[in-house]
Amino acid sequence: KQEVTQIPAALSVPEGENLVLNCSFTDSAIYNLQWFRQDPGKGLTSLLLIQSSQREQTSGRLNASLDKSSGRSTLYIAASQPGDSATYLCAVRPGREYGNKLVFGAGTILRVKS
Amino acid sequence: GAVVSQHPSWVICKSGTSVKIECRSLDFQATTMFWYRQFPKQSLMLMATSNEGSKATYEQGVEKDKFLINHASLTLSTLTVTSAHPEDSSFYICSARGPLVAYEQYFGPGTRLTVT
Repeated sequence: KQEVTQIPAALSVPEGENLVLNCSFTDSAIYNLQWFRQDPGKGLTSLLLIQSSQREQTSGRLNASLDKSSGRSTLYIAASQPGDSATYLCAVRPGREYGNKLVFGAGTILRVKS
Repeated sequence: GAVVSQHPSWVICKSGTSVKIECRSLDFQATTMFWYRQFPKQSLMLMATSNEGSKATYEQGVEKDKFLINHASLTLSTLTVTSAHPEDSSFYICSARGPLVAYEQYFGPGTRLTVT
């Protein structure tokens, strides 16, 4: 059974800091891994999707890496801003499962203080 | 592109009544949609997979007679919570399998259900 763990559960940083969010998964046989952002009471916004054959993806100040063999992914946020405050969710699509199901981690709650 | 909407965004209903939530893909056709629920400060839990023109596939522990799913067209899936109880109060989010990137899901904004 695929399980996804995110560390830390919560993080509070001053504006301008670079930070790293961690995601680990128990079964390395995945098709892809996706990072999402969720604002309070809102739906999910996809940030980055990494296919299993890729090592990293970048979008603006965000960089996500994937080490499939070790079951880890990191989301790097450069020069954090108060507007980055949100919950960040990591999700994997297990390779052996049928139906395109995503397995989510519990999320990291990020607060960037101005 | 690839926008998913949900209606209503929030709903309050009395215990014992039924409530329907709609999920629409606005600018693409989605043969597969997914329904999730999220309790406060918890992650998303998949409830069921909805395929256009066929019966939904429910995850273990989800009552199919309580959570009725209909995917009658390529742009619309509905979730009906029947005989709602206060413990059904939750945030319900749908997603649709996207038209471009293989297996990418696009998520709706969610529906907050409160059962009194």
